[in-house]
Amino acid sequence: AQSVTQLDSQVPVFEEAPVELRCNYSSSVSVYLFWYVQYPNQGLQLLLKYLSGSTLVKGINGFEAEFNKSQTSFHLRKPSVHISDTAEYFCAVSEGTSYDKVIFGPGTSLSVIP
Amino acid sequence: GAVVSQHPSRVICKSGTSVKIECRSLDFQATTMFWYRQFPKQSLMLMATSNEGSKATYEQGVEKDKFLINHASLTLSTLTVTSAHPEDSSFYICSAATGLHGIFGPGTRLTVL
Repeated sequence: AQSVTQLDSQVPVFEEAPVELRCNYSSSVSVYLFWYVQYPNQGLQLLLKYLSGSTLVKGINGFEAEFNKSQTSFHLRKPSVHISDTAEYFCAVSEGTSYDKVIFGPGTSLSVIP
Repeated sequence: GAVVSQHPSRVICKSGTSVKIECRSLDFQATTMFWYRQFPKQSLMLMATSNEGSKATYEQGVEKDKFLINHASLTLSTLTVTSAHPEDSSFYICSAATGLHGIFGPGTRLTVL
């Protein structure tokens, strides 16, 4: 069975500082990896995804993530955060046969401090 | 782009009543939809996979007789919470499969009094 770990439940960071949100996964088959963002009382928005190809994936809002197969990681980064980036971030993994059915990690709450 | 809607966005009901939540893909067809539940300050937990024209597949620990899923058309899946109790209060989110990644709806906040 696949699982996703997000080691940091809360990450406070000052505005314009860089941030990294960590994600590790476990799986015995090939995986597809996703990062979603959830603003308060809203649904989910896809930030970026890794399906194949280049291990460095660029997404919306200036975010990027790097797939590291040897370390089973898919950390999310942004070089300079804004107040509007304050939200809950979920790393997710899908089964090898489907991009659509995803299992979510516990989430990381990013708080950007003015 | 592809959009998924949910109705209602918020519902409050009395304990023991049933509540139906709709999930619609607005500009594309989705043979498969997924239902998730999210408790406050927690992650999303997959409840079931809804397939058009066939029975839903439920995740371990999810009561299929309590959470009835119907996927009667290529653009609509419904989740009915039967005999709802306060512990069923949660944020229910659906996702429609596109073959590339799931498109999530805005969610339905269910409060059972």
